[in-house]
Amino acid sequence: DVKVTQSSRYLVKRTGEKVFLECVQDMDHENMFWYRQDPGLGLRLIYFSYDVKMKEKGDIPEGYSVSREKKERFSLILESASTNQTSMYLCATSTGAYGYTFGSGTRLTVV
Amino acid sequence: GENVEQHPSTLSVQEGDSAVIKCTYSDSASNYFPWYKQELGKRPQLIIDIRSNVGEKKDQRIAVTLNKTAKHFSLHITETQPEDSAVYFCAATPGSARQLTFGSGTQLTVLP
Repeated sequence: DVKVTQSSRYLVKRTGEKVFLECVQDMDHENMFWYRQDPGLGLRLIYFSYDVKMKEKGDIPEGYSVSREKKERFSLILESASTNQTSMYLCATSTGAYGYTFGSGTRLTVV
Repeated sequence: GENVEQHPSTLSVQEGDSAVIKCTYSDSASNYFPWYKQELGKRPQLIIDIRSNVGEKKDQRIAVTLNKTAKHFSLHITETQPEDSAVYFCAATPGSARQLTFGSGTQLTVLP
């Protein structure tokens, strides 16, 4: 089984802080994704990556950046956290569009 | 890009009844349509998927139908059980893309 591990289950940060969310996979999947999940809005794509050092903007990239220095690790960065970034963040990996595997999620609260 | 709409947002059914969740998509190039189930506090997990060369697919009590002409697809759950209670997400992607576009989710509650 592919394991996708998100470093924190719950996180509380202050407005203006720089926040790092980490995602690590233990298989050789080339594709990695960051989504945020909000009630009534479903899963919205923030950023994705097809390869090391490669990144593509998703539908809602504003206020976020990403880093992929190694194939197994994909980091989401909130440059200056704001209260409207309070959400559940889900990392996913795949070898194509088929067969997404999700991490357990990080519930981020910005106060 | 692709846009996926999902209805209803909430659905309550009596145990043993059937449940139907519907999704429409906008990109006629989309050719892969998975459904994910997310139980409370857990990660979304793939429960069934369908590709555009197939009109219907079944897996025990779950079935998915696809109408490419109308650009909509549906999830059917028969003989619902309390453990079917969860949020269900549909998604779509064109073959050229690797990322999925998700619907807004349906909270299904199966009443005992």
